[in-house]
Amino acid sequence: NAGVTQTPKFRILKIGQSMTLQCTQDMNHNYMYWYRQDPGMGLKLIYYSVGAGITDKGEVPNGYNVSRSTTEDFPLRLELAAPSQTSVYFCASSSKDTQYFGPGTRLTVL
Amino acid sequence: QKEVEQNSGPLSVPEGAIASLNCTYSDRGSQSFFWYRQYSGKSPELIMFIYSNGDKEDGRFTAQLNKASQYVSLLIRDSQPSDSATYLCAVNNYGQNFVFGPGTRLSVLP
Repeated sequence: NAGVTQTPKFRILKIGQSMTLQCTQDMNHNYMYWYRQDPGMGLKLIYYSVGAGITDKGEVPNGYNVSRSTTEDFPLRLELAAPSQTSVYFCASSSKDTQYFGPGTRLTVL
Repeated sequence: QKEVEQNSGPLSVPEGAIASLNCTYSDRGSQSFFWYRQYSGKSPELIMFIYSNGDKEDGRFTAQLNKASQYVSLLIRDSQPSDSATYLCAVNNYGQNFVFGPGTRLSVLP
């Protein structure tokens, strides 16, 4: 049982480039989330989804987009990378009240 | 703006002592409360959750909830160096939106 998987683990982008962070869960959870965590800080919610085809903004959605075409996958898209998006990104899914986190993607924008 | 606050620490305790971590939240409608542990460079992992006022024990960990005071705490008995990590408090209200505190860094000294 893989749980929540994320790819890539690390990535360096140049300003203005775009990329997609992949997230997949195999627990058949309806709820999925994207968070970012800046150094020494807590988790900030970027986007979340309550099921396939349904997404909503979290606390810090600017500069990001998401889609949810299947229950399993919840990719996060950065269209025009900026240095302020340098962070660690965590994907999570939840069952009832409990969240399960992926291993994270460490993104640096130079 | 729903907020969750924690002392940032670091909190230093000697090995074998009790570590006490505190968390306050602003939304009186909050339903469930979680403690996550996060080692440096790793993703958060769930330690405990609590829904009702009072204490909940799991091994060396005890979560305490006081909804009237909007306060939740985590006690770690017989602290070990392996408990050294950042502890994140999270609050869930009406659905699947989780709000995280900034975390408290705990250091257990041998």
